Amino acid sequence: NAGVMQNPRHLVRRRGQEARLRCSPVKGHSHVYWYRQLPEEGLKFMVYLQKENIIDESGMPKERFSAEFPKEGPSILRIQQVVRGDSAAYFCASSEGAGNQPQHFGDGTRLSIL
Amino acid sequence: SQQGEEDPQALSIQEGENATMNCSYKTSINNLQWYRQNSGRGLVHLILIRSNEREKHSGRLRVTLDTSKKSSSLLITASRAADTASYFCATNLNAGNMLTFGGGTRLMVKP
Repeated sequence: NAGVMQNPRHLVRRRGQEARLRCSPVKGHSHVYWYRQLPEEGLKFMVYLQKENIIDESGMPKERFSAEFPKEGPSILRIQQVVRGDSAAYFCASSEGAGNQPQHFGDGTRLSIL
Repeated sequence: SQQGEEDPQALSIQEGENATMNCSYKTSINNLQWYRQNSGRGLVHLILIRSNEREKHSGRLRVTLDTSKKSSSLLITASRAADTASYFCATNLNAGNMLTFGGGTRLMVKP
């Protein structure tokens, strides 16, 4: 069984461009989470989605950031009009259910803003 | 400030020695989880311990949880060079499903 697949692994954008990060959860998992990690730091929660629904977006900036998890296809984290401060590693995780469930992580997308 | 704080921030030991990492947190939790991250990779789940559990084992790993002190420890016995990685504790709060991570302990095991 494939784990969480994220692509691209590395993404370079110029300031003002859009970045789209994709995440395919473990097969059968309907809960998806996005986290952001700065160098030498822990992960910071951004958003939690179930199929077609945003459950908790308390960690996601109100401006420029959006996330979706459509009925078909991968989850997408979209960053519009990127700025230098958006440079980070973005990790997606999935779980089978809620509550006492481990989360399975992808290898992340490293976003660099020129 | 972060919900979870690991201690120490960095740890260097010789192969065969034991490594102990500690984690403190601030609020009530549903469960606490430990993850490992190798450089440039995603996080790998190690152990989940629920709030009503005190100790859990998995191979060479032993995790304890003291809810009265709001702290947890991860012990790796008979360490190997392949254990070199960053280790993070993460808390799952009662209110939701997200994980709140500490800053991690960077473990180096010298051969």
